Amino acid sequence: EDQVTQSPEALRLQEGESSSLNCSYTVSGLRGLFWYRQDPGKGPEFLFTLYSAGEEKEKERLKATLTKKESFLHITAPKPEDSATYLCAVRSGAGSYQLTFGKGTKLSVIP
Amino acid sequence: ETGVTQTPRHLVMGMTNKKSLKCEQHLGHNAMYWYKQSAKKPLELMFVYNFKEQTENNSVPSRFSPECPNSSHLFLHLHTLQPEDSALYLCASSQDPTVEAFFGQGTRLTVV
Repeated sequence: EDQVTQSPEALRLQEGESSSLNCSYTVSGLRGLFWYRQDPGKGPEFLFTLYSAGEEKEKERLKATLTKKESFLHITAPKPEDSATYLCAVRSGAGSYQLTFGKGTKLSVIP
Repeated sequence: ETGVTQTPRHLVMGMTNKKSLKCEQHLGHNAMYWYKQSAKKPLELMFVYNFKEQTENNSVPSRFSPECPNSSHLFLHLHTLQPEDSALYLCASSQDPTVEAFFGQGTRLTVV
């Protein structure tokens, strides 16, 4: 059974204080790791897809990296508008179309 | 404007009511999904449709009934729900089931 664990559950940062969010996963044949951002009361917004260990992707202040056991979402010099819940999900090669999600990390960036 | 549109955004229904949630995607995708998001829980996949055919049903109770008349539209028919079914119901679509999915804004359902 695929499992995704995100840490920390919540993170408070001062504006400009860089940090990283962690996503640890157990999956039978990774077919993609996905990062989403979700604002309160809204649907998740797609950020990145990573497929293989060593892969990195960047978008503005966000950078996602992938190893064989975990992924990190690095946030450089965050701004208050980066406050949101960040979700990680994996898809396995077990023949299922299911995305298995973690519980998310709630990020708060204080001005 | 999001490529995946859900209506209504909010719904309050009694346990004996029948209602339907609607989802429409304008992205030309072939796969559509229903997810349930409850407080303090990860998103849970309910149903998957690929080219209008249901390919997955994750042990969802029969009081939830999906319908996919074409690749652009997806419905979730609700009847005799329980208070524990109150949640955010999210529709998503993807080009195919192996790549990233794009979500709608969700329907906040409250069962009273």
